[in-house]
Amino acid sequence: AQSVTQPDIHITVSEGASLELRCNYSYGATPYLFWYVQSPGQGLQLLLKYFSGDTLVQGIKGFEAEFKRSQSSFNLRKPSVHWSDAAEYFCAVNTGGFKTIFGAGTRLFVKA
Amino acid sequence: DGGITQSPKYLFRKEGQNVTLSCEQNLNHDAMYWYRQDPGQGLRLIYYSQIVNDFQKGDIAEGYSVSREKKESFPLTVTSAQKNPTAFYLCASTPRAGGDSGYGYTFGSGTRLTVV
Repeated sequence: AQSVTQPDIHITVSEGASLELRCNYSYGATPYLFWYVQSPGQGLQLLLKYFSGDTLVQGIKGFEAEFKRSQSSFNLRKPSVHWSDAAEYFCAVNTGGFKTIFGAGTRLFVKA
Repeated sequence: DGGITQSPKYLFRKEGQNVTLSCEQNLNHDAMYWYRQDPGQGLRLIYYSQIVNDFQKGDIAEGYSVSREKKESFPLTVTSAQKNPTAFYLCASTPRAGGDSGYGYTFGSGTRLTVV
């Protein structure tokens, strides 16, 4: 069965430091891959997506993600974190049709 | 601007009561979805609808019901049969029927349901 793993429940980084959030998936082929962000008490907002082509994709708010087929990974990165980036981040996988599987999320804390 | 409106933002339900959560979109999207979010569990699909007057069960449909009488509206009813309804409920949409392949969801801002 398909699955999505976000190994880190929470991460704390200093403002201005770089960020990498990990995501691994289990699926036999290349799925559609997404990252979403959720502020407390709010809905999710799409940051970026990948389904073919260049394995490094750019998103909104200065985020990027790299698809690595050999590692079944789709890690999210940002070169310099701002305090406003503190939120929960969800990796999601769609293998075609209506079955989108979400990871459990990684909560990002930003310290001054 | 187009988007998805969910109401109310907070809802309290007594034991044995049915409650209905509203979801309205002005994006002209064909497909709509209801997800349930519990801490540490990600999102789980309750129901989805590809077109008006059609909807399908997701992974956790028991104790829930939906209708899709208009393209813009996809209300969710949490019935008394749902034994643990306290959660955050999210409505979402995608432009075309056929699923989320490549589109990404547009989400509403959610409704927090609490049983009292």
